[in-house]
Amino acid sequence: GEDVEQSLFLSVREGDSSVINCTYTDSSSTYLYWYKQEPGAGLQLLTYIFSNMDMKQDQRLTVLLNKKDKHLSLRIADTQTGDSAIYFCAVAMDSSYKLIFGSGTRLLVRP
Amino acid sequence: EAQVTQNPRYLITVTGKKLTVTCSQNMNHEYMSWYRQDPGLGLRQIYYSMNVEVTDKGDVPEGYKVSRKEKRNFPLILESPSPNQTSLYFCASSLTGNEQFFGPGTRLTVL
Repeated sequence: GEDVEQSLFLSVREGDSSVINCTYTDSSSTYLYWYKQEPGAGLQLLTYIFSNMDMKQDQRLTVLLNKKDKHLSLRIADTQTGDSAIYFCAVAMDSSYKLIFGSGTRLLVRP
Repeated sequence: EAQVTQNPRYLITVTGKKLTVTCSQNMNHEYMSWYRQDPGLGLRQIYYSMNVEVTDKGDVPEGYKVSRKEKRNFPLILESPSPNQTSLYFCASSLTGNEQFFGPGTRLTVL
């Protein structure tokens, strides 16, 4: 089955860019998502990309998809302390109603 | 306000005592799903429902039941909870099954 992997932890300085990476195994993944989870809260959908796209930009967020390497990244420009959270990558296949999540990357933004 | 609500938010119970966690959405979404979140494992899907009276197993359905008698509600039932079901539970809903909106979570402890 599909496996989604993320690094566990990332620490950046306020104002720097953050890049959170995700790899997946199933090349038929059609929809790829980034969710943010703040302490004590549910998951908030940040952005998503379809498999027929290479890049999507939404304000400070840039998603890059490398289908050949099955690699997805989320870049946060001008990272703020409010961006400190756990970020989850999730993938889904067109024929499935199942979302497969990575284990999450904890982003710590240092003042 | 469009939202997914869960009740209770926190629950401590004892082994074997039946419990129900409710989930309700006001977005007229067809698709609803339950996940559990455990440290280092990300989110794993328990059950999902594509529409009323249609439910199916996710990755970790053992020990859980669900029902979908009406579109807005999707309760999660633990007939005989055990300590390994101690976890953080999330309900989610979606119009199509892909872009999912999450509830705030229910933290369950089974002693």
